[in-house]
Amino acid sequence: QKEVEQDPGPLSVPEGAIVSLNCTYSNSAFQYFMWYRQYSRKGPELLMYTYSSGNKEDGRFTAQVDKSSKYISLFIRDSQPSDSATYLCAKGATQGGSEKLVFGKGTKLTVNP
Amino acid sequence: EADIYQTPRYLVIGTGKKITLECSQTMGHDKMYWYQQDPGMELHLIHYSYGVNSTEKGDLSSESTVSRIRTEHFPLTLESARPSHTSQYLCASSPIVKGHKYEQFFGPGTRLTVL
Repeated sequence: QKEVEQDPGPLSVPEGAIVSLNCTYSNSAFQYFMWYRQYSRKGPELLMYTYSSGNKEDGRFTAQVDKSSKYISLFIRDSQPSDSATYLCAKGATQGGSEKLVFGKGTKLTVNP
Repeated sequence: EADIYQTPRYLVIGTGKKITLECSQTMGHDKMYWYQQDPGMELHLIHYSYGVNSTEKGDLSSESTVSRIRTEHFPLTLESARPSHTSQYLCASSPIVKGHKYEQFFGPGTRLTVL
């Protein structure tokens, strides 16, 4: 079983829709979770960084962690065409004394005007 | 402006050539990383460094090598490129700050094609 599972999509929504992106993880020891946005032919850009359980909100974006079900989500309200990108979830892991990130495969999102 | 830079952005070379992918950051971060990303696949860590003269191999086996002589500079070298090395290479850096130790900031990437 992969450490982080993410539905690759693709996901296509109309402008203004609420988008829900989801990942599951397999090791309950992890407490740090991140969402990255990656535009085509660009590097990933850190969107949200959360610790432990609960919600974190930043503008139109809300990150949610449910440690009981090992589920992490990113919600985008009032989605815009500029939100069209691939969204990567990641968890922080300490392995052999080193802090590393384990990534999902990414979900490709298209917001249609 | 604090940032992380990668050059070249695109590179097409022939088999057997030696290449160096450059990565520099102006954020003063101690930790730096190299990832490999193929279409539809996860980012895989191939090298990382926690400071000057510190380098470690990542989770994905790679024939590349890295060096860290200066804090801001973390180049990756392929001594003899092969078509199997065709991929996107992403450089990242991270601060050693309590509560933010997993935050990584990425460069724009180098897309390498080996013919």
